[in-house]
Order: sequence, then C-alpha cells, then structure tokens
Amino acid sequence: KAGVTQTPRYLIKTRGQQVTLSCSPISGHRSVSWYQQTPGQGLQFLFEYFSETQRNKGNFPGRFSGRQFSNSRSEMNVSTLELGDSALYLCASSLGTGGAGTGELFFGEGSRLTVL
Amino acid sequence: GESVGLHLPTLSVQEGDNSIINCAYSNSASDYFIWYKQESGKGPQFIIDIRSNMDKRQGQRVTVLLNKTVKHLSLQIAATQPGDSAVYFCAVVWGGYNKLIFGAGTRLAVHP
Repeated sequence: KAGVTQTPRYLIKTRGQQVTLSCSPISGHRSVSWYQQTPGQGLQFLFEYFSETQRNKGNFPGRFSGRQFSNSRSEMNVSTLELGDSALYLCASSLGTGGAGTGELFFGEGSRLTVL
Repeated sequence: GESVGLHLPTLSVQEGDNSIINCAYSNSASDYFIWYKQESGKGPQFIIDIRSNMDKRQGQRVTVLLNKTVKHLSLQIAATQPGDSAVYFCAVVWGGYNKLIFGAGTRLAVHP
C-alpha cells in the first residue's frame, strides 16, 4: 500500500512569505504528526492531528499552524517566514487510536524548505 | 521535561562487525522508547521499540537494551552490513499519543 506522501518535496521561499505543505497519510491512518528537522536542533515535534482535531502541540511560535481534513490529509502553514525556518519538514502518520505506544509512526520523505 | 541524548555522533565499523549505538534519557517516567533509522534523503524508518517494563527486545539482527536504573538504552546491530549505513535516532514518547522526543542522532558508517 502507498506510504506517506508529502508535497512539495522541495521549495524555496523568501523571508516574509508564507508556505503551505501537504501530507497524505497512509490509507486508514487517522493521525498525522508534523516534525521539523534541522542540523542544529534535530527532529522537533510541531503538532499532531487526529480526526481533524489538534491533539498535541510542540513549542513552536504561532506562525506555525496546521489542519487536518475529513479524509485525514493534513496541511501545515508557516507564515512570515524567517531564515531559521529552513528545514526538512516531516509528516508521520499512524492509526492514532492508541498513540505511538501501540504501533509505529510512518514517516514521509519530507518537504525541504529553503528560506532566502 | 524530557531530553534524549546520544553518546557518539559518528560510529565507524567494519562490515560484519557488531554495532552498538547508545542513548541516554533524562526522565525516569518515560514509558516507551523507539529506535529509528534515517537514510539520506528519506524520512525516519521504525526499527524496533521497547516498553519500560522490558529490559531487552530482539528483532531481525537488532536488539534494544533498556537500563532504567541509569536511564540508558542501546541499539545493537549484529553483522553490520553496508545497507545499515544511516543516521540512527532514539526517541521517547512524551506527552502522549504520537509526540516523540528525538535524540540528536548517531551516524553509522559501515566500511567494507
């Protein structure tokens, strides 16, 4: 079955712009989590959505937001981009009914954002 | 809060040797630990997990050991192969559901 699909894979933006990233989870998965990966900070949790509701949130400013649609697809948005937002943004999906404690998270290949 | 750290940023091994990657965590309340492998250009891939009520768990060529006394876990890879070359992360489920706190990562380089 198809894995987690993230689009776009690569994008370049300039400071002050905004960006929207998309994630299609594995069929049947209802949880979508987002992570930011940078060389300096590593992998950091952004937020998680389950059945269209944000279930958990990391320590990122309000410029980072997300949503989940009824088909479980998710988008994240970053407004007023800063140079430090350059990163690989990873989406992960799971069944979500019991959390990572009852199964694995399946990661997509990420969207690499470069902010100039 | 919780933090997860790794002892060695890079580990070089010969093909066929066993590899051991270490990880320390800070909060004794941590309940569930996961090891991920990330190859270049790809997202992290689940390797093996272990709950706090276990000391050891084995998979195919991999073993995870958990020492709750010193808050340390390790990933052992038997007969390391070139395809094992990647960055390995330990992670702890923290704050419920799918919120993971990741360690900094260890790069494993396998030489022929």
